[in-house]
Order: sequence, then C-alpha cells, then structure tokens
Amino acid sequence: AQTVTQSQPEMSVQEAETVTLSCTYDTSENNYYLFWYKQPPSRQMILVIRQEAYKQQNATENRFSVNFQKAAKSFSLKISDSQLGDTAMYFCAFMSTFQKLVFGQGTRLTINP
Amino acid sequence: GAGVSQTPSNKVTEKGKYVELRCDPISGHTALYWYRQSLGQGPEFLIYFQGTGAADDSGLPNDRFFAVRPEGSVSTLKIQRTERGDSAVYLCASSTGLEGDTQYFGPGTRLTVL
Repeated sequence: AQTVTQSQPEMSVQEAETVTLSCTYDTSENNYYLFWYKQPPSRQMILVIRQEAYKQQNATENRFSVNFQKAAKSFSLKISDSQLGDTAMYFCAFMSTFQKLVFGQGTRLTINP
Repeated sequence: GAGVSQTPSNKVTEKGKYVELRCDPISGHTALYWYRQSLGQGPEFLIYFQGTGAADDSGLPNDRFFAVRPEGSVSTLKIQRTERGDSAVYLCASSTGLEGDTQYFGPGTRLTVL
C-alpha cells in the first residue's frame, strides 16, 4: 500500500519569505501522480499543483513550484514571496492508476505579517 | 461553471440514527469520490464511482456505510446506526475519470454524532 509522509506538522514564516514544505512517499509503482492541495479554514480542498511521475521537469504554478526527486520518492513544495492568503493546511497526495488519492497528515502553514 | 456542492454543510445527529449526505459533482464529470477527514488528519478514501457503479469501495469502514449514484451524477453517502466515532468531515470530489486527472473537492459536510 502507498503511504505519504509529511514530517513538518507546523511551519511559520514572515510575509514575502520563501518556504518549503516536505513530502515523501512510498510506492512500488512506476507510473503515478502527485498533488499538493491547500485547505484553508473554509474546509474546501484547493489544488495547488500537480506532477506526473513520468515527467522529469518540475511543475510550477506562479509562486508555487515543486522539487520532484523520483529516486528518493520526495516531492517538496516551494512557495515564493509568501502572502497572508497562503495561510492554510497543506496536504501532499499520491495517486496511482487506481485513481484514489492517498493523503499525508498535512502541514499547517502560517504566514505572519 | 459551478463547482462540487455538498449538502448539508453541517449535520448533527444522535447516536444510532440514520443520516444521508449528498454530493453534486461538476457537470460532465464521470468520476466521483468520497473521503472522510477526522480532526487534524488528512482525508481518507471511502469509495469511488465511475458512472453509476462503484469502481472501488475498499475504503468503506464497515457495512453501516453505503453510497449510491443511481443516475451517474448526484451521489448520496448513507450511514446507518451512527456512532460517535463517525463524527468527521465528509468530503466529496469529482473528476473527468481520466487516469491521473485532478480531483476537485466540495466544501464538505461536517457530521457530529452526539
């Protein structure tokens, strides 16, 4: 069974700083997909970024980028120029070809003014 | 277009009662998923529909939990004889059903069993 581990329960940075959230996963599959979701207090899970395992190029979405290391089974999220609105729970998730998402425990990120 | 909607937003019930939670997916999405999120945890998979049929129900914790999607659109998660341990946020998501496609989530239903 696949597992996802987020080793940082909480993180806190100042506005405009760069922050990196860690995620590792365990799988024996070669073809899979990785996601970062953000969950603000409103509860709604919002997609931040998606990575296909067969693509070597790291995904980027504006201020958000990932460092995908397939051999190390590592998938970290970097947030540049952090903003107050980035304050939320962040979840790393794994999806195999069987479609269901396996989530990590989450990292609570606080951006301070 | 409209996103995934879930009703009710909050549900409080008494131990032993029956509850139904509804999910309305994004129009045109053939795949629908239910997850359960306990306090302070990541969501856990319950069941996945492709069209009207349950493609994977391996996450349902026991036979008190049942879900349907009779017309391939709206889905209802049904919980019989609720227990206090069923208290959680129940999240619904939908996708195109293509391999690896992004799942879009609704706002969830917070279920509290007293």
